[in-house]
Amino acid sequence: DTAVSQTPKYLVTQMGNDKSIKCEQNLGHDTMYWYKQDSKKFLKIMFSYNNKELIINETVPNRFSPKSPDKAHLNLHINSLELGDSAVYFCASSQASVDTGELFFGEGSRLTVL
Amino acid sequence: AQSVTQPDIHITVSEGASLELRCNYSYGATPYLFWYVQSPGQGLQLLLKYFSGDTLVQGIKGFEAEFKRSQSSFNLRKPSVHWSDAAEYFCAVALYKLSFGAGTTVTVRA
Repeated sequence: DTAVSQTPKYLVTQMGNDKSIKCEQNLGHDTMYWYKQDSKKFLKIMFSYNNKELIINETVPNRFSPKSPDKAHLNLHINSLELGDSAVYFCASSQASVDTGELFFGEGSRLTVL
Repeated sequence: AQSVTQPDIHITVSEGASLELRCNYSYGATPYLFWYVQSPGQGLQLLLKYFSGDTLVQGIKGFEAEFKRSQSSFNLRKPSVHWSDAAEYFCAVALYKLSFGAGTTVTVRA
């Protein structure tokens, strides 16, 4: 059983489109995250949710909207996609309520905006 | 400003040789420290972590790391590298949130 699963794994789309990435964790963790990894492999946190409540929102354009319907799911919706949004997006989860614990990562969703 | 630095962008090592990856941090207090590994096309996996106590910590896959407060460093080591250790390695520090270094790419030659 995959602990943190993301879909889709690959996404190719045109500029201006809207797309969503879904994430589910079966670890019973309270906290979930979205990270963005750029072409230079630099990882930056975007959002963090604890028990469906947003706790970290790192200067991300408001075209990006996370949604957590329950504590096992954290989805990322992106409006009006831009070229610079091309990246690998990682979902992660942790048991800790603040970001001091071990994170379990999904395999990533590679978004390519043409 | 708070930061975590991995000075080496790319390291090439022969199979069976030892490996050391450097990590330095700049924080007001001692943060929690982590090393993660990312194999090609995969997500990140935690190798080891340091919260407090013994400054030499053992991790998975034969890795260890040593915390040196005086040098603000948390270097990762492995005595004998296997071809499967070729990957991207990230040092990370946590003080209210987890921040990653830029990563070090490890290439293993036969």
